[in-house]
Amino acid sequence: GAGVSQSPSNKVTEKGKDVELRCDPISGHTALYWYRQSLGQGLEFLIYFQGNSAPDKSGLPSDRFSAERTGGSVSTLTIQRTQQEDSAVYLCASSLQGAVSSYEQYFGPGTRLTVT
Amino acid sequence: AQKVTQAQTEISVVEKEDVTLDCVYETRDTTYYLFWYKQPPSGELVFLIRRNSFDEQNEISGRYSWNFQKSTSSFNFTITASQVVDSAVYFCALSENEKRQLTFGSGTQLTVLP
Repeated sequence: GAGVSQSPSNKVTEKGKDVELRCDPISGHTALYWYRQSLGQGLEFLIYFQGNSAPDKSGLPSDRFSAERTGGSVSTLTIQRTQQEDSAVYLCASSLQGAVSSYEQYFGPGTRLTVT
Repeated sequence: AQKVTQAQTEISVVEKEDVTLDCVYETRDTTYYLFWYKQPPSGELVFLIRRNSFDEQNEISGRYSWNFQKSTSSFNFTITASQVVDSAVYFCALSENEKRQLTFGSGTQLTVLP
């Protein structure tokens, strides 16, 4: 079946502009995650959605970052007033999620964001 | 707080050699999950294995094997008879029962030379 898809694959933006990154999870996966991969910081968790529960936003680095998930499926990560330190690859992952177990997360190809 | 340490930043081997990638983790949870992911040059993270904390049985899948030892908080990954296609960055990761997001190690860059 189809894997996790992300768009755009590359985004170049000027400092101070807002950007939106999109993630389409695997059909039927109830959990969706956003991570960021940068040279200096490695792979960092940003935000986690599980079903209709309130998202876990504990990894968001500042209030310029926000995300939503509509209809329990597609998610959008928004970065406002982008800064050069926001340059990174933004990865989305989805998984099944049980009450008593944690399932493997499947990752999308990522969006490479460059802030000039 | 949880933490994953991959002390080997880079490893280089010649094809057909065996290679072990080390992973040490820290967690206060009694229930947790360990993972290995492969990131080839194309960039996409590929899931390799998941291990539950209550299952210490080692696993073999083809040329890949994993050694999980709770006593030393380690979850090491061995590739037998390495091939050039195994060249990639390998990440070890941990998730806990209460916090399902993955905490990643810094990764090990494996280069297999022909």
